[in-house]
Amino acid sequence: SQQGEEDPQALSIQEGENATMNCSYKTSINNLQWYRQNSGRGLVHLILIRSNEREKHSGRLRVTLDTSKKSSSLLITASRAADTASYFCATTTTSGTYKYIFGTGTRLKVLA
Amino acid sequence: EPEVTQTPSHQVTQMGQEVILRCVPISNHLYFYWYRQILGQKVEFLVSFYNNEISEKSEIFDDQFSVERPDGSNFTLKIRSTKLEDSAMYFCASTPIEVGTEAFFGQGTRLTVV
Repeated sequence: SQQGEEDPQALSIQEGENATMNCSYKTSINNLQWYRQNSGRGLVHLILIRSNEREKHSGRLRVTLDTSKKSSSLLITASRAADTASYFCATTTTSGTYKYIFGTGTRLKVLA
Repeated sequence: EPEVTQTPSHQVTQMGQEVILRCVPISNHLYFYWYRQILGQKVEFLVSFYNNEISEKSEIFDDQFSVERPDGSNFTLKIRSTKLEDSAMYFCASTPIEVGTEAFFGQGTRLTVV
């Protein structure tokens, strides 16, 4: 698998439910970021978690990071129709390269 | 809130033509990037730029591509002779330092090669 793979690929939930998306990666990271992309639009930064952090919160978002399992999860609580978008994780690695490596994304659909 | 701006939002070009995609990064940022996203696929790294030179480029960034910071505010991506497979959304990003901080992305330029 590639650096940064999200699962599920697609998720459909009812408004008010929680949505959980997972990201797995292969190599050691400096940090991991989650981005949202509305259909055909730009990338909006949601949250950054550093490799020495295990959990971060921002509003209705909760991100966890497990470096031993090389995985992260993004939880959106009390979802709204406006949360409908694709969600990507992006990592920066410790390998001396500074590019952001994006995952394949999870397409979230929140039904009103 | 400061933002990265990209122009144009959509460009249609004939195969073989040259295109220049423009970006204005956030003013106090030091590192600049171009990424592309082919429809329905993942966001792919093209190139990073620091101190007026390329710091890293991907295999995608071949001789058809070039980047420039012509005037201290704009950051451009030039594709010399476009191919159909260059059709994609192109994103510019900037960061204040190289790692450890979030990357701010522009809204993207949708390039359609016909």
